[in-house]
Amino acid sequence: NAGVMQNPRHLVRRRGQEARLRCSPMKGHSHVYWYRQLPEEGLKFMVYLQKENIIDESGMPKERFSAEFPKEGPSILRIQQVVRGDSAAYFCASLQGTSGNTIYFGEGSWLTVV
Amino acid sequence: RKEVEQDPGPFNVPEGATVAFNCTYSNSASQSFFWYRQDCRKEPKLLMSVYSSGNEDGRFTAQLNRASQYISLLIRDSKLSDSATYLCVVNPTDNYGQNFVFGPGTRLSVLP
Repeated sequence: NAGVMQNPRHLVRRRGQEARLRCSPMKGHSHVYWYRQLPEEGLKFMVYLQKENIIDESGMPKERFSAEFPKEGPSILRIQQVVRGDSAAYFCASLQGTSGNTIYFGEGSWLTVV
Repeated sequence: RKEVEQDPGPFNVPEGATVAFNCTYSNSASQSFFWYRQDCRKEPKLLMSVYSSGNEDGRFTAQLNRASQYISLLIRDSKLSDSATYLCVVNPTDNYGQNFVFGPGTRLSVLP
């Protein structure tokens, strides 16, 4: 499967722990988006990154959340000191960037905070 | 006003019915439009892009009205497998680099 790869698919964390979600974009794609979907709600934009740059983080909570897309390796969404309200599905999507204008999603990472 | 709004749904229709979904967007500079489909606990998947001239893909027809800032999706001869949430997506620019704004979705249940 040469699509967007996310891991872990399911993650359980206790309140106060850290969660790290990883996303490898489609081959040839240099742009990554992270979205959050709370139960029974729509997709909410969090952050848009290119390699080594955060382009738009207007949807990121001000505290505890951070994202990066290093030159080598996957994009990481990091949530520190998780709370129950962070329980959600986190979807990563990638975009080719140069000629494409369609985003493709990974299967998502389901975070449960207990 | 929200950036992208959709019919609240849910839509419950019998097999074989024709169903139409509506979507409105607030940013008149928007350039690219899409319909995605999302099954329960799955990722959104591209259903079709929406072009100014309208486009059709089998039983699915998408229309765009820029003057009214309105997008529609028509599903003919609906199948049980069409049951899903349909997401209207708007990209404010024709260039890459802007975030894609998703509507809240309209849930469709096709009943036997």
